Amino acid sequence: EAGVAQSPRYKIIEKRQSVAFWCNPISGHATLYWYQQILGQGPKLLIQFQNNGVVDDSQLPKDRFSAERLKGVDSTLKIQPAKLEDSAVYLCASSLDPQGFNNEQFFGPGTRLTVL
Amino acid sequence: DAKTTQPNSMESNEEEPVHLPCNHSTISGTDYIHWYRQLPSQGPEYVIHGLTSNVNNRMASLAIAEDRKSSTLILHRATLRDAAVYYCVQWNFNKFYFGSGTKLNVKP
Repeated sequence: EAGVAQSPRYKIIEKRQSVAFWCNPISGHATLYWYQQILGQGPKLLIQFQNNGVVDDSQLPKDRFSAERLKGVDSTLKIQPAKLEDSAVYLCASSLDPQGFNNEQFFGPGTRLTVL
Repeated sequence: DAKTTQPNSMESNEEEPVHLPCNHSTISGTDYIHWYRQLPSQGPEYVIHGLTSNVNNRMASLAIAEDRKSSTLILHRATLRDAAVYYCVQWNFNKFYFGSGTKLNVKP
């Protein structure tokens, strides 16, 4: 079974530039999550989708971050414009059923973003 | 926000048991406790989860206190491959709250 795919793995940009990250979840997984992990900290949930609808985006900085999940499969996370404090690893995860007992999350390898 | 607290780091000898503690004093009756671990340059990996009863799987055991305000992840025989950051995660409906994690160092 293929895991969660993310690209690119690394990205370096100047502040005020735009950047986009892509995620392909495990086939059949209804729920998709985007996390931000700053160095030395645990992951922080940015947004959660169930199929193509947003379940929770309360911690997403909506003035600069946006995300979409078209057709309930792949997802993209965009930052425009980027700030220095956005330097972090952006993790995508998916799970089969978020409201069931068996709600293990499967994580991708992440995209490491450096903003100069 | 629901929060978990863990020691920053712990050390263990190879092939000895390891007990990783976590406090989750704000837990509510329907919150699950999950544990994930993260190796360098990788995404987190699921370890185990539970609600009230102690749980066992091939990777580890989870002991949950009777009042559910704390739990302990037990690795029965630590190996060098178990060296990682271990996160105690409180699941509240659709939200996962990661703590800052415990970095486990395993000595040969």
